[in-house]
Amino acid sequence: ETAVFQTPNYHVTQVGNEVSFNCKQTLGHDTMYWYKQDSKKLLKIMFSYNNKQLIVNETVPRRFSPQSSDKAHLNLRIKSVEPEDSAVYLCASSLGTYNERLFFGHGTKLSVL
Amino acid sequence: GDQVEQSPSALSLHEGTDSALRCNFTTTMRSVQWFRQNSRGSLISLFYLASGTKENGRLKSAFDSKERRYSTLHIRDAQLEDSGTYFCAADGYAQGLTFGLGTRVSVFP
Repeated sequence: ETAVFQTPNYHVTQVGNEVSFNCKQTLGHDTMYWYKQDSKKLLKIMFSYNNKQLIVNETVPRRFSPQSSDKAHLNLRIKSVEPEDSAVYLCASSLGTYNERLFFGHGTKLSVL
Repeated sequence: GDQVEQSPSALSLHEGTDSALRCNFTTTMRSVQWFRQNSRGSLISLFYLASGTKENGRLKSAFDSKERRYSTLHIRDAQLEDSGTYFCAADGYAQGLTFGLGTRVSVFP
């Protein structure tokens, strides 16, 4: 049963556009994450967010930014997309502190033309 | 940085057989998680282990409690619905989990 909800499922856009992906969890978890899965299926952490504390993976380009209104929501904004941003973006949450058991959403597949 | 090596990269199983997947870590890890990704891309949590073993139905996972540098996932009596890509992910005290490249499991009649 899904408890981490992501929208949209798919998004196609052109280079230079701005996009925003939504993520909401109904598990009452304290920590949320964004992961990127590339074409080779490798998953990499982008952001971790807990109690208004944001941890950013230093390899993430600055055009990416997470946005949170409360602990149940963590959206992802890409200011000006590049071709290499084409990937699946997966949102996840965990109950307490970082890296406890993760529950993932279904992902948002981004295609940049 | 932390490395997670998963093996094998692919596995074909007859229904009803048993098999094991393995993850080796290049450094000591605090915990390990196992996921299955289905054909639609959903990542399903199978196990979270900080030590020892856990079992759920036909799946059993173990995390080496001594050196904390490897984990295994056993599939018993494989069924068609076990097909998918299995990922291990380890917490190496760094930000976020480090994922392996996955084991693609195909179960056939």
